[in-house]
This record gives sequence, structure tokens and C-alpha cells, in this order.
Amino acid sequence: AQSVTQPDIHITVSEGASLELRCNYSYGATPYLFWYVQSPGQGLQLLLKYFSGDTLVQGIKGFEAEFKRSQSSFNLRKPSVHWSDAAEYFCAVGAIGYQKVTFGTGTKLQVIP
Amino acid sequence: NAGVTQTPKFQVLKTGQSMTLQCAQDMNHEYMSWYRQDPGMGLRLIHYSVGAGITDQGEVPNGYNVSRSTTEDFPLRLLSAAPSQTSVYFCASISSTRFTEAFFGQGTRLTVV
Repeated sequence: AQSVTQPDIHITVSEGASLELRCNYSYGATPYLFWYVQSPGQGLQLLLKYFSGDTLVQGIKGFEAEFKRSQSSFNLRKPSVHWSDAAEYFCAVGAIGYQKVTFGTGTKLQVIP
Repeated sequence: NAGVTQTPKFQVLKTGQSMTLQCAQDMNHEYMSWYRQDPGMGLRLIHYSVGAGITDQGEVPNGYNVSRSTTEDFPLRLLSAAPSQTSVYFCASISSTRFTEAFFGQGTRLTVV
């Protein structure tokens, strides 16, 4: 069965500092991996996705993520955080064939001045 | 394109009442899913459908029913609401021919008193 672990429930960073959100997955084959962002009271918006090819993927809002098969990880990064990045971030893994998507428990990001 | 539309946005029910959460998509996607989101637990799959007339259970199906009579609509029925069903519910749809991402509705915030 596929699963996703986001070990950090809550992270606080200063505006302008760099950010890395961790994600580890378990899946039997090559996974489809996603990062979604959820602002308070809103639905989920896709930040970026990995299907195959280059292991460093670029997303919207200046985010990027790196797929590391040996570590079963797909960590999200941003060089300089803005106050508007405060939100909850979800890592997800998808299974092709019946398009089942499993989500992690989320990491809530707080940005301080 | 409207994408995925959920109604209502907010609902308060009394214990024991029944109701239907509506979900419609206009992207001609075969796959549709219902998730519930609870603090600290991420998104958990309730039920999903791989096409009209075909549904299956996710990880937390108890107390919920679904049906899929058309490609566009995937309603979620609460048979006898319980306080444990207080949650935010999200509907999602995914293309079967081009698995790129899950497209989410804006959510329904349900409170059972």
C-alpha cells in the first residue's frame, strides 16, 4: 500500500529565509509525486508534480522539489520565503491505473517578520 | 471551465439527520474521489469512483454512501449524521487518460451538533 510521511507538523521560518519541507513516501513502483498548498479556508492548489525524468522539478510561486529514489523522499524547497507562503503544505503520492492519491498529514508553515 | 464544484460550502446538521453533499465536474474526468480533512490527519479517502456506475471504498467509508450515475456528478450521502463526521469534505477529479493531478473543489465545511 502506498503511504506518505510528513514528519514536521509545524514549521516556523523568518521571512526571507530558506525553506525545506520533508516528505517520505512508500510505494512499490515509480511513484507519481505531488505537493499541494492550502491557504486557510481554501481548497488545495497544486504546487508541482513529478512523474519521470529530471529529478529536480520546478513549480509555481518559486517552489522546487527534488525526487530522491534512494531515500524515498520528495522534499519541497524555496530559497526565500515570503509572508504570503504561510499555509499548509501536503505531499501526495499517486498510483497510475486507478488514479488513487494518498496524502500526507500536512505541514503547517508559519512565516514571521 | 468551472472545474470541480461543491455545494453547499457550509452546513450544520443535527445528529441523526441525513444530507447529500454535491460534487460536479465539467472536465469529463473518469476518476472522482471524496476526502475528509481533519486537523493533524491530512486528507483521508472516503469513497472513489473509476467511472459511471463504478464506486469503491476508501480508508474511511463508514457512515457514507456514494453513487455515480453520470460522469459529471458524484454525490456523497451521510445516512445518519454523527458528531464524528464534523469535518471539511473535498471532492476531487482526475483524468483517466492523462494522470496529471487531482483537481479539487473548494470544500464543504460540515458541523454535526
